[in-house]
Amino acid sequence: EADIYQTPRYLVIGTGKKITLECSQTMGHDKMYWYQQDPGMELHLIHYSYGVNSTEKGDLSSESTVSRIRTEHFPLTLESARPSHTSQYLCASSDSIAGGSYNEQFFGPGTRLTVL
Amino acid sequence: QKEVEQNSGPLSVPEGAIASLNCTYSDRGSQSFFWYRQYSGKSPELIMSIYSNGDKEDGRFTAQLNKASQYVSLLIRDSQPSDSATYLCAVRRGGYQKVTFGTGTKLQVIP
Repeated sequence: EADIYQTPRYLVIGTGKKITLECSQTMGHDKMYWYQQDPGMELHLIHYSYGVNSTEKGDLSSESTVSRIRTEHFPLTLESARPSHTSQYLCASSDSIAGGSYNEQFFGPGTRLTVL
Repeated sequence: QKEVEQNSGPLSVPEGAIASLNCTYSDRGSQSFFWYRQYSGKSPELIMSIYSNGDKEDGRFTAQLNKASQYVSLLIRDSQPSDSATYLCAVRRGGYQKVTFGTGTKLQVIP
């Protein structure tokens, strides 16, 4: 079944640790995104990728980095976690159809990160 | 002016009523419009997409697009308590691949 996966679902970690949030999709989509969302607040785009070896920063400045070595995989890394990084991180993917009229994004279940 | 604007609510409607959610956008060249439903603590779920002026119906949901007035709306007929969630409007501007999300409208359906 085509889907988008995120691991871990919950992570509690101490300040200064390096963490990687995993995102994989089996939907065959070329575009992938990372969003950050605090409880009850709006979505903020922090990274996106339109294909392998293509990554861009989003609208919200983030200390995280991403990579896109394989089409289906888009991990997000924090080199040194801080309490200000505590948030929900949502991964999404979308396809593009000739003409670019569509960009339906499908979201993974999210990773809730708490940095102590 | 924000690119995508929604009333944060909460919008309270009785069970069985029609819920009307509205969204305005600033870029007249926007081409694609989406409605997502997000339950508390969960990720957004795509419920409707609309690309041309007029109405698009899917079950109890109807999306309405008026490009001249730059608004898109979502109607939910026969509202159920399970419809209680935050509804996010998202817009793709012309010439851009990214989608901009509104802040969402919280809907409460009262039994």
